[in-house]
Amino acid sequence: GQNIDQPTEMTATEGAIVQINCTYQTSGFNGLFWYQQHAGEAPTFLSYNVLDGLEEKGRFSSFLSRSKGYSYLLLKELQMKDSASYLCAVRILGGDSNYQLIWGAGTKLIIKP
Amino acid sequence: DTGVSQDPRHKITKRGQNVTFRCDPISEHNRLYWYRQTLGQGPEFLTYFQNEAQLEKSRLLSDRFSAERPKGSFSTLEIQRTEQGDSAMYLCARGDRNTGELFFGEGSRLTVL
Repeated sequence: GQNIDQPTEMTATEGAIVQINCTYQTSGFNGLFWYQQHAGEAPTFLSYNVLDGLEEKGRFSSFLSRSKGYSYLLLKELQMKDSASYLCAVRILGGDSNYQLIWGAGTKLIIKP
Repeated sequence: DTGVSQDPRHKITKRGQNVTFRCDPISEHNRLYWYRQTLGQGPEFLTYFQNEAQLEKSRLLSDRFSAERPKGSFSTLEIQRTEQGDSAMYLCARGDRNTGELFFGEGSRLTVL
């Protein structure tokens, strides 16, 4: 089966740093995505990792370890607008040779002043 | 702007009625996905088109659900004889053929009374 685990909810303080973890057990692996989703809105793309290591993009960084089935999203200098759900998704190659995205349930991040 | 527009944004209907959602992606992306998302969960795959061909359909999709993409441009998702359990956000996304990144529309929120 396919399984992606993320914490349900996290709380952090404005200006601080927070790390959101994602572990996965999937049949195959062809990349991992992080999406941000504000309440009532559609998910928006944050990052994509297919090789091990850290990808940095401004205040956001994403790390991948394929051998451990583990990724994290690191958010620095937190702002109130970062309050949102953060979704981890793993791309696998399906039995019909089409890519599929397996989604985690998301981590709700609450930023406090 | 993700290049995907959905209509309507909100739909309230009575149980047993039929509803139809429309998705308009920008024309040069030929992969189109439909997802369903309920509160506190990640997006759940429904179906996928490459141009006008429906290549994959989730086993979770009952026969009350049908999707079309005539001419490989806009797509429609119809739900017949709606049930309260169909209440969700219905998301349409276009897919980048190289990275697999999904660009979501703003979604169509369905409430079945």
